[in-house]
Amino acid sequence: GAVVSQHPSWVICKSGTSVKIECRSLDFQATTMFWYRQFPKQSLMLMATSNEGSKATYEQGVEKDKFLINHASLTLSTLTVTSAHPEDSSFYICSAVTTSNRDGQEVDTQYFGPGTRLTVL
Amino acid sequence: AQSVTQPDIHITVSEGASLELRCNYSYGATPYLFWYVQSPGQGLQLLLKYFSGDTLVQGIKGFEAEFKRSQSSFNLRKPSVHWSDAAEYFCAVGGGYGNKLVFGAGTILRVKS
Repeated sequence: GAVVSQHPSWVICKSGTSVKIECRSLDFQATTMFWYRQFPKQSLMLMATSNEGSKATYEQGVEKDKFLINHASLTLSTLTVTSAHPEDSSFYICSAVTTSNRDGQEVDTQYFGPGTRLTVL
Repeated sequence: AQSVTQPDIHITVSEGASLELRCNYSYGATPYLFWYVQSPGQGLQLLLKYFSGDTLVQGIKGFEAEFKRSQSSFNLRKPSVHWSDAAEYFCAVGGGYGNKLVFGAGTILRVKS
């Protein structure tokens, strides 16, 4: 249990276009999901906390109008990078926190997706 | 403010040798501590975690970590390293359900044959 998927795994887009990244918890329900970005050879930086049915909470310095987050269900959160520019190129990783100990997951533990490599030309 | 320090950016060990990766944290309350491993181009896999109780925790792949409150440390150990352990290891601290994690800078482990 505790499998988190992301789609797509990689994407290349032109500057000025928008890109949507999906994060799904496949075998558990997650009321909270987190979005991180990771630059090469660097650690993960939290961008925002996504709560099902409510607005996301963004970290200081993260533009909420540029990085739109929607958490419409207990198994899906999406990150849309609007009007992407080359400086947005990065590795985006989501994580999900389970609400129960069923099916092999453990509460209070973030389970991570495999990441999405975004390249903006 | 919460912070995590992993003082070693790179570590190289011989296959079969023992391993210890250091992690020091700063946290205002009782911390939840985690070790994750990341292979190149991949997401993070949870190795082990400490919430409370026994300060020596066992994880997957033969890893263990010891929580030492007096030293604010949560070092990761493995008695015999395998070539497949080569990856980047992240220590993280958080405050429980739904709380944010703060990650260390990571330690890249190289295993030589």
